[in-house]
Amino acid sequence: QSVLTQPPSVSGAPGQRVTISCTGSSSNIGAGYDVHWYQQLPGTAPKLLIYDNTNRPSGVPDRFSGSKSGTSASLAITGLQAEDEADYYCQSYDNSLSGWVFGGGTKLTVL
Amino acid sequence: QITLKESGPTLVKPTQTLTLTCTFSGFSLSTSGVGVGWIRQPPGKALEWLALIYWNDDKRYSPSLKSRLTITKDTSKNQVVLTMTNMDPVDTATYYCAHEIAVAGDFDYWGQGTLVTVSS
Repeated sequence: QSVLTQPPSVSGAPGQRVTISCTGSSSNIGAGYDVHWYQQLPGTAPKLLIYDNTNRPSGVPDRFSGSKSGTSASLAITGLQAEDEADYYCQSYDNSLSGWVFGGGTKLTVL
Repeated sequence: QITLKESGPTLVKPTQTLTLTCTFSGFSLSTSGVGVGWIRQPPGKALEWLALIYWNDDKRYSPSLKSRLTITKDTSKNQVVLTMTNMDPVDTATYYCAHEIAVAGDFDYWGQGTLVTVSS
């Protein structure tokens, strides 16, 4: 069971908007630690998608955005494309575990 | 250009010790603030952070695996080594190493991963 909770799956039609939630607690997200998001395409290594809650690394389309509030964070994807079909993971730091924690992952299906 | 690559055995027997090496380029592990971590992913399952070592030799371990893990660095060779003792079939996973630039931050560059199977 992961420290950060994500929905197992979300889906949307091409062009639509989807959001993926990431719920933590007072020892990680709620303690002020940043949330980061990764995209993992089938058979590949995770790729940093959003860092420090809202920032996109160079090359990541602005269709991807992140937000954080309280003990939760969200990843939004607008203008869904077939190539967005992947697993998405949130990640933060937990001070009670003194380590990095990941969510359980969310599989995005583009209908 | 930062790159990382994991290497090690693809098959280990139960109770054996696993030794994985992360060889990197494009950065130095003697630069202030830099860290290299290990993350694993069992087939079809989520990512799990294992260990991380910083430029100043500060080492962090997952509490659930701390007794089995050792992480070291060889700055001159640009390598980080992870050892995991007493391997079990549940440790079958793809093991990744990744670059981290800020304390308690994100992993901005990842290796391709190496699949380790634990079986007799």
